[in-house]
Amino acid sequence: GNSVTQMEGPVTLSEEAFLTINCTYTATGYPSLFWYVQYPGEGLQLLLKATKADDKGSNKGFEATYRKETTSFHLEKGSVQVSDSAVYFCALSEYGGATNKLIFGTGTLLAVQP
Amino acid sequence: EAGVAQSPRYKIIEKRQSVAFWCNPISGHATLYWYQQILGQGPKLLIQFQNNGVVDDSQLPKDRFSAERLKGVDSTLKIQPAKLEDSAVYLCASSLEKGTLFGSGTRLTVV
Repeated sequence: GNSVTQMEGPVTLSEEAFLTINCTYTATGYPSLFWYVQYPGEGLQLLLKATKADDKGSNKGFEATYRKETTSFHLEKGSVQVSDSAVYFCALSEYGGATNKLIFGTGTLLAVQP
Repeated sequence: EAGVAQSPRYKIIEKRQSVAFWCNPISGHATLYWYQQILGQGPKLLIQFQNNGVVDDSQLPKDRFSAERLKGVDSTLKIQPAKLEDSAVYLCASSLEKGTLFGSGTRLTVV
């Protein structure tokens, strides 16, 4: 079945460091891909998304490119801030639609130190 | 726009007791989901509604879990009787074409 695999954390970085969180997926068809973020004590928030191959999603300095050939959707940010400390979840939407169920990875905890 | 509302935020119950969670989705969102997020894991879909009809409940433990969405708006998720392994955050979400939005969740602890 469809699945998402993301790198295990925690990832600990100093402020202004470069961030990469790896995400790969297994899916039939053409899923949409998402990154969600969960700040401490809060619910899941959509960070960015991409709906087809070679699309790049971006938001708040974060970027991820939908790579069909490597079945990947790695999250990157050029310069992290302490406020970026959170758990990041990669997810795919089966059947590609926004109203279809999401399959999540296990999450990656990011801790940014000043 | 108002977000997805859930209550209560926290609940502690003893095993074999029953518990219910409530969700009010974003106005106009026809699709509503309940996800279970166990500590250290990603959310897992329990049930999906389209208006007041069930689209997918394949992962719902139907011997103890039930959910309904009366009039295609609010929804309740019930567990009866609860087990220790039901301790988790229960997330409600709703969606339109632009994406799925989540509530803050209900953290259930079964002791």
